[in-house]
Amino acid sequence: EAQVTQNPRYLITVTGKKLTVTCSQNMNHEYMSWYRQDPGLGLRQIYYSMNVEVTDKGDVPEGYKVSRKEKRNFPLILESPSPNQTSLYFCASSLIGGQSNSPLHFGNGTRLTVT
Amino acid sequence: QKEVEQNSGPLSVPEGAIASLNCTYSDRGSQSFFWYRQYSGKSPELIMFIYSNGDKEDGRFTAQLNKASQYVSLLIRDSQPSDSATYLCAVTEDMRFGAGTRLTVKP
Repeated sequence: EAQVTQNPRYLITVTGKKLTVTCSQNMNHEYMSWYRQDPGLGLRQIYYSMNVEVTDKGDVPEGYKVSRKEKRNFPLILESPSPNQTSLYFCASSLIGGQSNSPLHFGNGTRLTVT
Repeated sequence: QKEVEQNSGPLSVPEGAIASLNCTYSDRGSQSFFWYRQYSGKSPELIMFIYSNGDKEDGRFTAQLNKASQYVSLLIRDSQPSDSATYLCAVTEDMRFGAGTRLTVKP
């Protein structure tokens, strides 16, 4: 089944403890992206990747890191999480970024709580 | 700063009515748009995309694009309680989303 898989679904951690949220897609998509979703603010892009080894900042990149060593994987790293990073996170992929015939496919989301 | 704006709602319509959801965008160079639906606690799912001025119909859904006025809208005909969700508008070129409009369809 074609899908975007992100893990874990739920994560509770403490301030400053490094964590990684994994994302993997099995559709051979070139484009991958991370979003956070907060009430009233909608989906805001954190980082995106047009292809392997190419990553760029989105609108809210502060406090996050990403890497794209392989086409299928795009992990999101929080080196030192803070409470303002408590949010719902979505990984998404598309065949090619920025084209109308290439919609985003979303993972199931990761709800992160930082205390 | 490029922006995509939506009325957060909630928008409430009776079952069987037409629900009208609107989205405006600031970047005049934006050419195409997605509409996604997101049920509470779930991930967004694609409803349709539009890139030409005018209307595009798919079943009960009609997307409308007016590039001169920089707005895109989604009409849902014969609204059903199962249409109750948040509807997200997105600009294709930079995958930028609006904050979404929460729709409630009352039986």
